[in-house]
Amino acid sequence: KAGVTQTPRYLIKTRGQQVTLSCSPISGHRSVSWYQQTPGQGLQFLFEYFSETQRNKGNFPGRFSGRQFSNSRSEMNVSTLELGDSALYLCASSLDGQTGANVLTFGAGSRLTVL
Amino acid sequence: AQSVSQHNHHVILSEAASLELGCNYSYGGTVNLFWYVQYPGQHLQLLLKYFSGDPLVKGIKGFEAEFIKSKFSFNLRKPSVQWSDTAEYFCAVNAGWSNYQLIWGAGTKLIIKP
Repeated sequence: KAGVTQTPRYLIKTRGQQVTLSCSPISGHRSVSWYQQTPGQGLQFLFEYFSETQRNKGNFPGRFSGRQFSNSRSEMNVSTLELGDSALYLCASSLDGQTGANVLTFGAGSRLTVL
Repeated sequence: AQSVSQHNHHVILSEAASLELGCNYSYGGTVNLFWYVQYPGQHLQLLLKYFSGDPLVKGIKGFEAEFIKSKFSFNLRKPSVQWSDTAEYFCAVNAGWSNYQLIWGAGTKLIIKP
């Protein structure tokens, strides 16, 4: 079956702009999580959605937001971009992220460069 | 705050050497433990996991990890590495105290010299 699909794969923006990233989870997976990956920082958790509701949120400013649609597809938005937002943004899906036994399946990521 | 520590950020080994990557977490109680791997140009993928039972778990490509509860550790091992093991390795933990969100280590970049 198809994996987790993220679009776009690469994008370049300038400071002050906003960006929207998209994630299509594996069919049947209802939980979608977003992470920011930067060199030396590892993976930082942004938020997790399940059935169109945000269940968990990491320690990121309000400029970072997301949503999930009825078909489980998810988008994240970053407004007023800063240079420090340059990173690989990863989406991961699982059947139900609210139990410890769930394994995440990751997409290839969207690499954002802010100039 | 709860955290996951990976002791080595960069490891360089020759082929056939033995590998052990350290992972420690800071909170007791029941935990679920994971190692994920990111090969160059590829997606993050699950290497192995521990939920309960035998504390020695085996994963893909000959990797194994041992959960030592008293040491809050979940070290990754491989007796003989190959050039194709060059990758970044991430340890992650979840539990009720993290609302089952994964808490990630910073990652270890492993380079295998042919």
